[in-house]
Amino acid sequence: GESVGLHLPTLSVQEGDNSIINCAYSNSASDYFIWYKQESGKGPQFIIDIRSNMDKRQGQRVTVLLNKTVKHLSLQIAATQPGDSAVYFCAEEGSGNTPLVFGKGTRLSVIA
Amino acid sequence: NAGVMQNPRHLVRRRGQEARLRCSPVKGHSHVYWYRQLPEEGLKFMVYLQKENIIDESGMPKERFSAEFPKEGPSILRIQQVVRGDSAAYFCASSPSTGLANYGYTFGSGTRLTVV
Repeated sequence: GESVGLHLPTLSVQEGDNSIINCAYSNSASDYFIWYKQESGKGPQFIIDIRSNMDKRQGQRVTVLLNKTVKHLSLQIAATQPGDSAVYFCAEEGSGNTPLVFGKGTRLSVIA
Repeated sequence: NAGVMQNPRHLVRRRGQEARLRCSPVKGHSHVYWYRQLPEEGLKFMVYLQKENIIDESGMPKERFSAEFPKEGPSILRIQQVVRGDSAAYFCASSPSTGLANYGYTFGSGTRLTVV
């Protein structure tokens, strides 16, 4: 079965607001997590990653938070823009370099 | 510097026909992964290949599906005797090595298979 899941299937935010997308994972042995963005008709695009020895990592307008205690991952997008509208997936690398496991995804809609 | 190239982008097959999906990895990448995505769902792992070897096919249906990554040429995902339930987007990704902690996957744009 899947070891990665998302809390919310859809999220609508006003342009300029911050977005928070959540993800729960069940494999406590996973040590690497990635957020992907998928626009309509395209393949997943890497956004940001984090290793299990970290609890926060920041990129340009994006921040990933990892809470290993409750096995929770979140993606924060600052000052959300219309171009951020897409489906966002969290994914984890299982133990032993097994292939990525993806969650179901959250659709982010930005309201202008 | 071309990324992962998949073709065709769209493929329509009648029930019972064969579907062949091609994936050319990023130049220099020797690891290829195939994923299937149903509408409004996440990507499901199917198979992981290195040149001339299948490393992990735990996500591949036991019948009708096969994959190869020959020494020369693209990786091929073959679906024989397609059924309507095979309709999905099939994505290929490549990486230069195992262990995503050091390398990421690069995904192609996918092949959208429709079985009529």
